Amino acid sequence: GNSVTQMEGPVTLSEEAFLTINCTYTATGYPSLFWYVQYPGEGLQLLLKATKADDKGSNKGFEATYRKETTSFHLEKGSVQVSDSAVYFCAYQGAQKLVFGQGTRLTINP
Amino acid sequence: GAVVSQHPSWVICKSGTSVKIECRSLDFQATTMFWYRQFPKQSLMLMATSNEGSKATYEQGVEKDKFLINHASLTLSTLTVTSAHPEDSSFYICSASDDPNEKLFFGSGTQLSVL
Repeated sequence: GNSVTQMEGPVTLSEEAFLTINCTYTATGYPSLFWYVQYPGEGLQLLLKATKADDKGSNKGFEATYRKETTSFHLEKGSVQVSDSAVYFCAYQGAQKLVFGQGTRLTINP
Repeated sequence: GAVVSQHPSWVICKSGTSVKIECRSLDFQATTMFWYRQFPKQSLMLMATSNEGSKATYEQGVEKDKFLINHASLTLSTLTVTSAHPEDSSFYICSASDDPNEKLFFGSGTQLSVL
């Protein structure tokens, strides 16, 4: 069936480290792909999205490229900050419904 | 950006009692609201889609008589967990949109613990 698999956390990094959170999906067709972020005590917020193959979504220094050939949408950031500590969810949109991965908790230490 | 308020943020109840969770869109009219639940270390799973003024559409395997959804106005949807049992303990989160094809806005979630 359709699903999203993302890197199992928690992930702990030092400030200014390079971040990659892997995400792969199984779906028919060409769904839109998303990364959502949930900061402590807040609701999920859309971080970035890509709607077709080879598109790159970017926001707040984060990037993810829609890779059709590998069915992946890995999240990257070149230099993380303490304020990036949050839970990150990969998702795709199919039939007007969002299908989420299990979330990856990221902690950045100063 | 648009704000979705969800209350309560956490609730503890006894087995057999009912619990109501509210989801409000504070600065926009939400024609569609979605209810998700998440078990520890698992994905958010869509439970149901509610449209203002009509019956909710439940996902396969979700008991509609146990999880009552009411979307009586364009700014409020409620999820009532009836006769709650310990296996209903989970994180429940709502999302809302004024257009199902556009951006979704999420509440901060409700952690339900049933003793």
